Amino acid sequence: QSALTQPASVSGSPGQSITISCTGTSSDVGGYNFVSWYQQHPDKAPKLMIFDVSNRPSGVSNRFSGSKSGNTASLTISGLQAEDEADYYCTSYIGNSAQVFGTGTKVTVL
Amino acid sequence: EVQLVQSGAEVKKPGESLKISCKGSGYSFTKYWIGWVRQMPGKGLEWMGIIYPGNSDSKYSPSFQGQVTFSADKSITTAYLQWNSLKASDTAMYYCARKGDGNNWFDSWGQGTLVTVSS
Repeated sequence: QSALTQPASVSGSPGQSITISCTGTSSDVGGYNFVSWYQQHPDKAPKLMIFDVSNRPSGVSNRFSGSKSGNTASLTISGLQAEDEADYYCTSYIGNSAQVFGTGTKVTVL
Repeated sequence: EVQLVQSGAEVKKPGESLKISCKGSGYSFTKYWIGWVRQMPGKGLEWMGIIYPGNSDSKYSPSFQGQVTFSADKSITTAYLQWNSLKASDTAMYYCARKGDGNNWFDSWGQGTLVTVSS
């Protein structure tokens, strides 16, 4: 199972909106509504930001939203803030209780 | 408060064995899966697999099947990741994380254990 494809980097100015894509196949992203997104700051553990495509855990800012169309899922960060600068990873269920991560995207706040 | 506390950094030689731990607290340890995630230096996250401490049912990613072993001790609410013969390519940060039964996300993570394998 290959890693899901994400852009290596995305950048934006404070206050802007950015979108990170996560492209898979009909065997993963396209086949299940079980896409999650994690934020990882340098030298820190990942943090869950979105689960089941578009649901936010308690405590996560509503500036983060998720969606999916076909084999591509997306994470949108609106009102970009300096603290959003981090790496972001998507993950998808692939059947048989297994998951696969995306390649990761570095978000830079200009 | 849900907490996963991992054991400290390890430095090992190729061919040596190693077992790292992940202690859960603040929740019913036997009712959630524990997953293991590898992050090699400067690289992305890799899903290694999961174990259900309630009955030690385990699912391994094909990439890690046969290379590592998951185990758990319910009596001390601790999960383990074990290698029988380390390789230099096992050098990485390893995270444990909690997954609800029936859920498909990790909602709580350990702080990570850095494993360095070098001769």
